[in-house]
Amino acid sequence: EPEVTQTPSHQVTQMGQEVILRCVPISNHLYFYWYRQILGQKVEFLVSFYNNEISEKSEIFDDQFSVERPDGSNFTLKIRSTKLEDSAMYFCASSATGQNTEAFFGQGTRLTVV
Amino acid sequence: SQQGEEDPQALSIQEGENATMNCSYKTSINNLQWYRQNSGRGLVHLILIRSNEREKHSGRLRVTLDTSKKSSSLLITASRAADTASYFCATAARVNAGNMLTFGGGTRLMVKP
Repeated sequence: EPEVTQTPSHQVTQMGQEVILRCVPISNHLYFYWYRQILGQKVEFLVSFYNNEISEKSEIFDDQFSVERPDGSNFTLKIRSTKLEDSAMYFCASSATGQNTEAFFGQGTRLTVV
Repeated sequence: SQQGEEDPQALSIQEGENATMNCSYKTSINNLQWYRQNSGRGLVHLILIRSNEREKHSGRLRVTLDTSKKSSSLLITASRAADTASYFCATAARVNAGNMLTFGGGTRLMVKP
């Protein structure tokens, strides 16, 4: 069964460093997303991406964040200068279309900023 | 802001019993989705119900949606120890806005063997 895959599963980084989280969405899906879940808190929407551009973003997704689809299969989230409060589980998701279709999530990348 | 809120926050039952989890939200939705999350793992999609649907079934899962009350319920029948997980509802608010989902805080379900 097709699935969303994320790498790495764990990432530890020093405050101020840049990190890139990688995702391979399901191959025939058109919409891609990043969400995050701070430990013990709700899953929060960060950004959606369609047709090579951001279609929606939340207040969390400020200038330190960026997304890219560098080739036909990968979808990346870059955090330019990490802060302690960026420590969270980051989930990538994809859906076939943007309307009334299931969003399938990857297993997540646990980011720890020290 | 629109939020899904589940209740109860935690539920403990014996294997074989039914588990019912409820979700309330505040604004109009396009669809509502239920997810399961095992501790520290990813989100597994369970079921999607559209705003014009009232009930859906998938195996041992039954989801209802009452848009007049802005609420949904997830029923797991004949529960198993393997159903132990956190369950989240997530709402998609607007058509043509992609699948931007707003998640609730989840219900932690424990099924005792």
